[in-house]
Formats: sequence, C-alpha cells, structure tokens
Amino acid sequence: KQEVTQIPAALSVPEGENLVLNCSFTDSAIYNLQWFRQDPGKGLTSLLLIQSSQREQTSGRLNASLDKSSGRSTLYIAASQPGDSATYLCAVEGDYKLSFGAGTTVTVRA
Amino acid sequence: DAMVIQNPRYQVTQFGKPVTLSCSQTLNHNVMYWYQQKSSQAPKLLFHYYDKDFNNEADTPDNFQSRRPNTSFCFLDIRSPGLGDAAMYLCATSRSPGWGETQYFGPGTRLLVL
Repeated sequence: KQEVTQIPAALSVPEGENLVLNCSFTDSAIYNLQWFRQDPGKGLTSLLLIQSSQREQTSGRLNASLDKSSGRSTLYIAASQPGDSATYLCAVEGDYKLSFGAGTTVTVRA
Repeated sequence: DAMVIQNPRYQVTQFGKPVTLSCSQTLNHNVMYWYQQKSSQAPKLLFHYYDKDFNNEADTPDNFQSRRPNTSFCFLDIRSPGLGDAAMYLCATSRSPGWGETQYFGPGTRLLVL
C-alpha cells in the first residue's frame, strides 16, 4: 500500500523567503506525482504534474522535482507572497488512483 | 465557467438520516471520483466511475453508495450517517483513469452530522 508523507505539517515564513516543501512516498512504481493547493474550506487546485519519466516541472514561481528511486519530491516556491498561504498536498498516482499526503500548511507573513 | 460543481457546499444532517451529495461536470470526462477528507487529513478515495463501471475501494464502508445516471452527474449517498462521517467530500473528474491524466476537483461539500 502506498504511503505518502509530508513534513513539516506546518510552516511559517516571512514574505519574500523561498519555500521548500517535501513529499516522500514508499512505492516507487508510480505513473506521476502531482502537487495541489487547498485553501481553507475549499477544493483542490492542481499546481504541477510530473510524469514518472521526468525529473522536474516548472510553472512561474513554482518548481517541483521528482526522484522516483528515492521516493521523494520537493516543491519550491520562489519569493513567497501572502497569497501563497494555503495547504499544499502532494499525491502520487499508481494504477488509477491518487494517494495523497496530509499536506503542509504554509503561512506567509507580510 | 465552473467545470466541476458540487451541491450543496454545506450540508447538515442528523445522525442516521440519509443524505445525498451531488456533483456535476461540464468537462465531458469519462471518470468521476469521490474522496472523503477529514480535518487535517489526506483525501481518501471512496470509489470512482469509469463511464458506467463502478469501482469501490476495498475499505469504503457499505454505508456509502454512489450513482451515476449520466456522464455529467454523480451522486454520493450516505445511508445512515454517523458522527465519524463528518468531513469534506470532494468530487473529481478525469478523462481517463491513470496514465498521467490530471484530476480536476470541485469545491467540495462539507458535511456536518448532528
């Protein structure tokens, strides 16, 4: 059974600092890994999807890396802003289903 | 131009009183999923439909059922809600199951059981 872990559970940084969010998974037989954003009481918004054959994916200030062999992914958010405050979840896809981590809740202080 | 719509956004029900949550999509996707997310926990897949084929997760309680009358709509029925069923219920869609297809999520329905 796939287990996905995100550490730390919460993170608080001053505006402008770069954010580094970690995700680890136990079974390297995955199709892809996704990073999602969840605002309080809301649904999930897909940020980045990395195929299993890729090493990284970038979108604006966001960059995600994937090391399948070690079961790790990292999401980097450059020059954080208060609007980046949210919970960030990673999910790995095996067969047809996504297995999620519990997320890292980020607070960016103005 | 909402793509995955969930109604209602908030639902309050009484212990043991059946409740139905609704999801609709304008993406014409073949797959629809239902997830349960309890506070500060990871979303957990309950079941999914691939077209009309229903796929139940092994650990989904019998209390939870689903219907998909057509491509656009999918319903989650909770036959006898217990206090432990209070959660956010997320609906998602994708073009096909797996193979790198992005899942698109709705805003969720928060269920409170009194």
